[in-house]
Amino acid sequence: QKEVEQDPGPLSVPEGAIVSLNCTYSNSAFQYFMWYRQYSRKGPELLMYTYSSGNKEDGRFTAQVDKSSKYISLFIRDSQPSDSATYLCAMFNSGGSNYKLTFGKGTLLTVNP
Amino acid sequence: NAGVTQTPKFQVLKTGQSMTLQCAQDMNHNSMYWYRQDPGMGLRLIYYSASEGTTDKGEVPNGYNVSRLNKREFSLRLESAAPSQTSVYFCASSTTAKETQYFGPGTRLLVL
Repeated sequence: QKEVEQDPGPLSVPEGAIVSLNCTYSNSAFQYFMWYRQYSRKGPELLMYTYSSGNKEDGRFTAQVDKSSKYISLFIRDSQPSDSATYLCAMFNSGGSNYKLTFGKGTLLTVNP
Repeated sequence: NAGVTQTPKFQVLKTGQSMTLQCAQDMNHNSMYWYRQDPGMGLRLIYYSASEGTTDKGEVPNGYNVSRLNKREFSLRLESAAPSQTSVYFCASSTTAKETQYFGPGTRLLVL
C-alpha cells in the first residue's frame, strides 16, 4: 500500500461548482498536512497547511483532516477558471526522518467557464 | 524577494553529457531539496540538505550528486546523463527540515 493515495482525476467541473479533492494515507505518524497547487509548467505553491484533525478555512478554500480515518480533503467553493491546476496533497511527521515530505501524485482539476 | 530561483529553465543533453542545475533562495532558509517530477510518478526526492554543510540521499539519488555551496545555493549535478533522467527538476527550500517547503519554477531536462 502506498503511503499517500490521491485520485489523479482528471476532474472537470463548471464554474461556480463546489470541488472536493481527497487523499488517504497509511502512516499514522503523519501530523502535518499540506495542499499545494501547481499550474501547468510551474512549480508547486503552498495553498493550505494544517496540523492534526479539524478544519481550516482560507477564503474559498477549506482543508479538512480526519486522522482517525487517515483522510484529508480540500474543498473549493465557487470554483473559478483560475482554479484550474493540479492539486497535490503532502504530509510529514515531526519526528524520525523529518526531511521527508510525502506527496500524493496530484489531481488535475479543470474549471470550465 | 525572488524566493527560489532555478537555472536553466530548459536544457537538452545528449546521453553521456554532464550538467549542473543551479538553485538559489533568498529567504534565509536552512534546508534545501531537489525533486524530480515525472508523469504518473509524482514528486520524488533526489537529495536534500537539512542545513549548510550537510547533504543526504532521498528516494532516487542514483546518477546524481549535489553540492550545498553556501546557505543560499544548492546545485544538482548529472555526471553522465541518461534518457531515464529526462524529467522536470524542482528545487525547494524551507526554514528548517520540519517546516513547509517552497518550490522554484523548475528546470525541464530532455536527455536524448
